[in-house]
Amino acid sequence: AQSVTQLDSQVPVFEEAPVELRCNYSSSVSVYLFWYVQYPNQGLQLLLKYLSGSTLVKGINGFEAEFNKSQTSFHLRKPSVHISDTAEYFCAVSEAEAGTALIFGKGTTLSVSS
Amino acid sequence: DAGVIQSPRHEVTEMGQEVTLRCKPISGHNSLFWYRQTMMRGLELLIYFNNNVPIDDSGMPEDRFSAKMPNASFSTLKIQPSEPRDSAVYFCASSGQGVYGNTIYFGEGSWLTVV
Repeated sequence: AQSVTQLDSQVPVFEEAPVELRCNYSSSVSVYLFWYVQYPNQGLQLLLKYLSGSTLVKGINGFEAEFNKSQTSFHLRKPSVHISDTAEYFCAVSEAEAGTALIFGKGTTLSVSS
Repeated sequence: DAGVIQSPRHEVTEMGQEVTLRCKPISGHNSLFWYRQTMMRGLELLIYFNNNVPIDDSGMPEDRFSAKMPNASFSTLKIQPSEPRDSAVYFCASSGQGVYGNTIYFGEGSWLTVV
């Protein structure tokens, strides 16, 4: 079975500062990895995903994430955040090529202030 | 394009009442998921269907919960009888061509309050 740990429940940052949201996963098999964002009172939408290939994945809204197999991590980064990036961010994992659903971490609340 | 459509968006009900949440997946998608979100437990997978067949229902909390998918365009999640601890946001989501790395699209959620 897979599991996901998001290491920070809340990350406060100032506008235009860089940010990193940390995610570690546990699995005995190959995995697919995802980051989703949830704005207040809305559903989740995909930011980016890693399936295979290049370990650096670029997503929407200027976010990127790097898959590190040896450290079982998939940290999300953005070089300069905006107020509008304030939201809840979820890391998720699924078992590769086995048809399992996504298992989500507990989420990280990113709060961007001016 | 229409996304995943859930109804009702908000429901307040009394303990002991039956609650039915409805979901219409994106047309052409053949996998459907029900998740529950609470502050304490985060996002939990309740059940998922592939081609209308339940594949994994190990997340369904207890016999009071049941889910059906009578056809490719409709699913229900029923709670009977409801209890205050069932208060949560229930998300329906769908994906195409199975779950092999495909993006899962979420509805906007059904906010359930049981008093």
